Amino acid sequence: NAGVMQNPRHLVRRRGQEARLRCSPMKGHSHVYWYRQLPEEGLKFMVYLQKENIIDESGMPKERFSAEFPKEGPSILRIQQVVRGDSAAYFCASSAGLNEQFFGPGTRLTVL
Amino acid sequence: QKEVEQDPGPLSVPEGAIVSLNCTYSNSAFQYFMWYRQYSRKGPELLMYTYSSGNKEDGRFTAQVDKSSKYISLFIRDSQPSDSATYLCAMSALGARDDKIIFGKGTRLHILP
Repeated sequence: NAGVMQNPRHLVRRRGQEARLRCSPMKGHSHVYWYRQLPEEGLKFMVYLQKENIIDESGMPKERFSAEFPKEGPSILRIQQVVRGDSAAYFCASSAGLNEQFFGPGTRLTVL
Repeated sequence: QKEVEQDPGPLSVPEGAIVSLNCTYSNSAFQYFMWYRQYSRKGPELLMYTYSSGNKEDGRFTAQVDKSSKYISLFIRDSQPSDSATYLCAMSALGARDDKIIFGKGTRLHILP
């Protein structure tokens, strides 16, 4: 049984470009969460989605960031016009809605 | 005051020692408590999951929750070098099954061979 899958594992972008991060939840999980982790910092909640719905986006920056979880396919975290401060590890987690969240390996975004 | 406080360490202990990791929190609504282990450049891995106060044991790991003191602990017995990692406490509120989880910053643990 495959765990949470994220791709790419590493992503390099220049300032002003767009970054697209993908997350495929565990089989049977319909809840997806995105977190950001900066060096020496804890995991910061960004957004919680269920299929085709954003449930809680209270941790998302108001501009340039968006997320979706379509009926078919992976969840996508999109960052437009990236800046150096967006460099971080972005983790996706999935759950069956019972608080236990299982994390993917993360995508490490580097903005040059 | 932050919702969840966790000493970042690093904490270095000799192999075979008992390790004690802990977190304090301020939100009395938290009812679900978790410990995650994160190896360098990897995703967090769920270690222990407890509900409300009490103890839970799984192999060499024991999780304790003291809601009256708003204090949770993770004990590791017979520590091994492979236990060297960052340990994150996490918690969420009762009754909100889909409530977001609040994480501590993590404690870096080094087990010295």
